[in-house]
Amino acid sequence: DGGITQSPKYLFRKEGQNVTLSCEQNLNHDAMYWYRQDPGQGLRLIYYSQIVNDFQKGDIAEGYSVSREKKESFPLTVTSAQKNPTAFYLCASSNPGTSGGPTGELFFGEGSRLTVL
Amino acid sequence: GESVGLHLPTLSVQEGDNSIINCAYSNSASDYFIWYKQESGKGPQFIIDIRSNMDKRQGQRVTVLLNKTVKHLSLQIAATQPGDSAVYFCAEKRGYSTLTFGKGTMLLVSP
Repeated sequence: DGGITQSPKYLFRKEGQNVTLSCEQNLNHDAMYWYRQDPGQGLRLIYYSQIVNDFQKGDIAEGYSVSREKKESFPLTVTSAQKNPTAFYLCASSNPGTSGGPTGELFFGEGSRLTVL
Repeated sequence: GESVGLHLPTLSVQEGDNSIINCAYSNSASDYFIWYKQESGKGPQFIIDIRSNMDKRQGQRVTVLLNKTVKHLSLQIAATQPGDSAVYFCAEKRGYSTLTFGKGTMLLVSP
């Protein structure tokens, strides 16, 4: 079945360690996104990529890094510079919407829960 | 499951009632709006969308209403079922921008 696969579902990290969250999609979508979700808050955009080998910072990019070497993959690295990394991380993908913009409906993965010990 | 619902506005209804979830959006120039449903521990799922040239759109058991004058969006769920219990997010965008999400509303449906 087509969809977005995030792994791992749960991840524990010690302070000072970098960790990488995986996101793979087989929907043939051009655009991919990473969001962070904290309790009681909406989704906040970390990074997004509209095409292979290109990506842009979202609203809360500090302490995170991404790469987009393949269309189907958009891994997120949470670095030691991220001061409060414990959160639920969501990956999404989309094709351009019919309104002409780059983001139509977003398709989300099941999320990765990162906890810093 | 994930505690994404902590401190959220909560709407409690009885099974079979109609539910109305409201959302105030921020950008008067937004031209596309979308509602997502998120169950505990899962990623958000698309419910329904609407473009700014419309004021109403209906799906299966759901209706979205858009009032651009007061920048207000609502989601109506008919004959609410226990399986509708979740957090509901609205999101907006304008042109080539990315989606901006609201904080969400938790819907609790009692049998």
